[in-house]
Amino acid sequence: GENVEQHPSTLSVQEGDSAVIKCTYSDSASNYFPWYKQELGKRPQLIIDIRSNVGEKKDQRIAVTLNKTAKHFSLHITETQPEDSAVYFCAASRGGGADGLTFGKGTHLIIQP
Amino acid sequence: GAVVSQHPSRVICKSGTSVKIECRSLDFQATTMFWYRQFPKQSLMLMATSNEGSKATYEQGVEKDKFLINHASLTLSTLTVTSAHPEDSSFYICSAAIGTSGSSEQFFGPGTRLTVL
Repeated sequence: GENVEQHPSTLSVQEGDSAVIKCTYSDSASNYFPWYKQELGKRPQLIIDIRSNVGEKKDQRIAVTLNKTAKHFSLHITETQPEDSAVYFCAASRGGGADGLTFGKGTHLIIQP
Repeated sequence: GAVVSQHPSRVICKSGTSVKIECRSLDFQATTMFWYRQFPKQSLMLMATSNEGSKATYEQGVEKDKFLINHASLTLSTLTVTSAHPEDSSFYICSAAIGTSGSSEQFFGPGTRLTVL
């Protein structure tokens, strides 16, 4: 089955700086790669996703890049703000998003004021 | 956006009892829903895929006789934890996929915090 590795487990950055979280996956048939933000006790919220036919996607301060050959994808957050503090999960699945997701272990992002 | 609800949000039960958790898609029909489990400070783990009108597909290591899934309609899937024990205490979250073939995204319910005493 799919295996998703995520690094780092904790990331502390100064407010206004950029944050990068990286994930690798093992199943070459995976074609959907979402990123979720989860606050304590809450549901995961989709912040951005990318499909295997695209190499990069951007939405305001958030961007995701995908390297299918190397089987890795990354989340980039620029101009970080205190409200960006949360746990971020990457995930992968087949079926273009219609299959169950395999999640990475999560990154606790801390924005230092 | 698509809305997925879960009920109850919290449940505390005694060891040996059964607990039912409901997952509803409120403004769309979901032929497929998913059930995940999240232990404290850990990631989400897929437990099973719930298919409307057919048997659920369970992930390796998940006991189908312990975690009963029923997807009786296009808007409702239920997860019953049978003979619950303290080690079943966890955050159970459902999701539903919406979109066209090859271009879907999943929306999560708010989760159910199960505590087994």
